[in-house]
Amino acid sequence: ILNVEQSPQSLHVQEGDSTNFTCSFPSSNFYALHWYRWETAKSPEALFVMTLNGDEKKKGRISATLNTKEGYSYLYIKGSQPEDSATYLCAFSPSNTGKLIFGQGTTLQVKP
Amino acid sequence: AAGVIQSPRHLIKEKRETATLKCYPIPRHDTVYWYQQGPGQDPQFLISFYEKMQSDKGSIPDRFSAQQFSDYHSELNMSSLELGDSALYFCASSIRTGGIDEQFFGPGTRLTVL
Repeated sequence: ILNVEQSPQSLHVQEGDSTNFTCSFPSSNFYALHWYRWETAKSPEALFVMTLNGDEKKKGRISATLNTKEGYSYLYIKGSQPEDSATYLCAFSPSNTGKLIFGQGTTLQVKP
Repeated sequence: AAGVIQSPRHLIKEKRETATLKCYPIPRHDTVYWYQQGPGQDPQFLISFYEKMQSDKGSIPDRFSAQQFSDYHSELNMSSLELGDSALYFCASSIRTGGIDEQFFGPGTRLTVL
């Protein structure tokens, strides 16, 4: 059974704080790791797709790193803003068929 | 930009009834994926199609069937509905590039079985 674990489950921070969350996935049979941002009543929005060990991606104040040997990825948000409030999902892809195995998500609440 | 369209957005059915969920992928996308997210659970992969052929299968019950049509839209047919089928059903689409295919998700169909 392939499990993806995310921590913490939820996080409350003040505006301006920087924060990070973890996604753990099986280090064997790795193909790709995806991060999604999901706001209530909206479609999950793709943030990053990473495939290479040591990969680091950045989009504005959000960045992610990947360690395929030990099976984890970190998502960082620098200077959190209230509009960053959402659930952040990571998804592991074990093959090229595109099938995604999701974690349970980290719900971020940024207080003004 | 066009996004993935799912219909209906909400559906209420009785036990043992049937339901059909529809997914319209982003134009030119050739691959469709279906996921089920039960209350308090992670989204679970059900099934995927590439160029109208099934490409992968996950934990899809035998009571469910799906297909992708010539215009690339997909339908998920669910029969003999059970209370446990109440969930948010996501469809995602992608275009096969030979590399990592980024999946774009629709807003989901919330199915409630009473």
